Amino acid sequence: KQEVTQIPAALSVPEGENLVLNCSFTDSAIYNLQWFRQDPGKGLTSLLLIQSSQREQTSGRLNASLDKSSGRSTLYIAASQPGDSATYLCAVHTGGFKTIFGAGTRLFVKA
Amino acid sequence: EAGVTQFPSHSVIEKGQTVTLRCDPISGHDNLYWYRRVMGKEIKFLLHFVKESKQDESGMPNNRFLAERTGGTYSTLKVQPAELEDSGVYFCASSQLDREWEQYFGPGTRLTVT
Repeated sequence: KQEVTQIPAALSVPEGENLVLNCSFTDSAIYNLQWFRQDPGKGLTSLLLIQSSQREQTSGRLNASLDKSSGRSTLYIAASQPGDSATYLCAVHTGGFKTIFGAGTRLFVKA
Repeated sequence: EAGVTQFPSHSVIEKGQTVTLRCDPISGHDNLYWYRRVMGKEIKFLLHFVKESKQDESGMPNNRFLAERTGGTYSTLKVQPAELEDSGVYFCASSQLDREWEQYFGPGTRLTVT
């Protein structure tokens, strides 16, 4: 059974700091992995989608890596800003169009 | 282009009552998904429609939950009778038929059962 774990559960950093969010999954048989952002009272916004054959994806200050064999992904946020404060969710897509989510990391960036 | 909308945004009902949640996907999106997040836990898949057909409903917790998508447009999720453990945030997402991973999520409906 696929399980997704995110560490840390919560993180508070000063503005400008670079940070790394971690995601691990138990079954390496995935189609792809996706990082989402959720703001309070809002839906999920897709940040980055990494195909199972890829090692990383970049978008602006965000960089996501994928090591399928070890069941790990990291989301790197460079030069964090208060506007980055949100919950970040990692999700893996398995067969049958199922999406398995982690519990998320709550990020707070202090001005 | 309008995004995925969900109604109501928040519902508070008593145990034993019935509640119906509605999701309007993005126009033209044939895939529609329901997810649920129970307090403190991860978001979990409930079911997946392709047009009006249920493609996968393996995540539905029990037979108190009934999802429909008549005409392949909007979808409803009915909980009858509601129990305390049904409280949580119910998300709907939609995607184009050939881009199943490019899911657009609605803001969710927060359901509180007292």
